[in-house]
Amino acid sequence: KAGVTQTPRYLIKTRGQQVTLSCSPISGHRSVSWYQQTPGQGLQFLFEYFSETQRNKGNFPGRFSGRQFSNSRSEMNVSTLELGDSALYLCASSLEGLNEKLFFGSGTQLSVL
Amino acid sequence: AQSVTQPDIHITVSEGASLELRCNYSYGATPYLFWYVQSPGQGLQLLLKYFSGDTLVQGIKGFEAEFKRSQSSFNLRKPSVHWSDAAEYFCAVGAAGLLVSGSARQLTFGSGTQLTVLP
Repeated sequence: KAGVTQTPRYLIKTRGQQVTLSCSPISGHRSVSWYQQTPGQGLQFLFEYFSETQRNKGNFPGRFSGRQFSNSRSEMNVSTLELGDSALYLCASSLEGLNEKLFFGSGTQLSVL
Repeated sequence: AQSVTQPDIHITVSEGASLELRCNYSYGATPYLFWYVQSPGQGLQLLLKYFSGDTLVQGIKGFEAEFKRSQSSFNLRKPSVHWSDAAEYFCAVGAAGLLVSGSARQLTFGSGTQLTVLP
């Protein structure tokens, strides 16, 4: 079974641009979560989607948004990029269940110049 | 709000030596606790988790962790470290009380402990 796939692997953008990152969960997983990882702030929860609905959101500005499609694939979008948005963005998928664990992708490394 | 503290930023051990990585959490109710490992350029891999029951939890790759409610700790241990264990280790807490809404996926992570293994 294929793991969580995130594309692209690396991305370079300039300030003010917008970016879209993609995540394909493990087959059968309907929950997709996004995390931002930076050296300064560590790992921080962005949001979680389940059945095309955002179920939970972390403490990030409205420039960060996401969506989930009917096939459970998810995208996250960051508009008006700032230098501080440079980070590794990790996607995780899981089954729906009390004890189900998160499976993480390898991430998208975003650099904002 | 929950929080996780990993007091050791960097630990160096010799191959074959024992290992203990510290984790302290703060959460008002019953926590769900996790240890993840991250190799350079990779995502996170779950080593083990504690939801309830036996406070000594066995994980993959020979790791174990012990939940101590009185000390609010969930330390990770391994009796004999291998060179391939060199990586960054993250402790995380999930809000058990929010499981119904699926917010168990909203994990709060510690800042990580970088493990170096000497030959």
